[in-house]
Amino acid sequence: ETGVTQTPRHLVMGMTNKKSLKCEQHLGHNAMYWYKQSAKKPLELMFVYSLEERVENNSVPSRFSPECPNSSHLFLHLHTLQPEDSALYLCASSQDLGSFGNTIYFGEGSWLTVV
Amino acid sequence: GENVEQHPSTLSVQEGDSAVIKCTYSDSASNYFPWYKQELGKRPQLIIDIRSNVGEKKDQRIAVTLNKTAKHFSLHITETQPEDSAVYFCAANRPGTYKYIFGTGTRLKVLA
Repeated sequence: ETGVTQTPRHLVMGMTNKKSLKCEQHLGHNAMYWYKQSAKKPLELMFVYSLEERVENNSVPSRFSPECPNSSHLFLHLHTLQPEDSALYLCASSQDLGSFGNTIYFGEGSWLTVV
Repeated sequence: GENVEQHPSTLSVQEGDSAVIKCTYSDSASNYFPWYKQELGKRPQLIIDIRSNVGEKKDQRIAVTLNKTAKHFSLHITETQPEDSAVYFCAANRPGTYKYIFGTGTRLKVLA
């Protein structure tokens, strides 16, 4: 299954590093998302893009910087992260925005460890 | 703010038994409730959903029930198999937005 693919799957970075997570969707969807998944916490919506325009920046620290160059690709640029940022970062897409019957398709996630 | 409470956080059942996971939501306007399954190291995947105009929906061994008055909905898995072992997430939508409120997940272990 290759609907939503994420790279890298695992990333270890120091607090002074700069790295990027990449996401690509092959479903022809118009909306893309970044979620953060931490142990024993609900999925946390970070950013939402619709047709390449950002529609949500959910009070996320500026050390996370998204980029959506086209409707198929989404990046999450990371710099000067903190250890508490260690988590699974899930990219997702959906046909459109709207939460009624609008299935969200997730990627397999990027495991981020900040040391 | 709106939230979704999910219970239990872990659940162990013998193979062949049934498993029930319950979620309670706070926003009475929520009208769409998906359930996601996330196997170890894999992506969350939609397994079943229900809209507020129905009380129950079935798909083979899984079913979801909705009680709008009590604002809770449940996932039922019958004749459990080892491959049902995973983390299950419920969610409720926020009508008029693109947002979902997710539960904290239930780790289901099916013991052979």
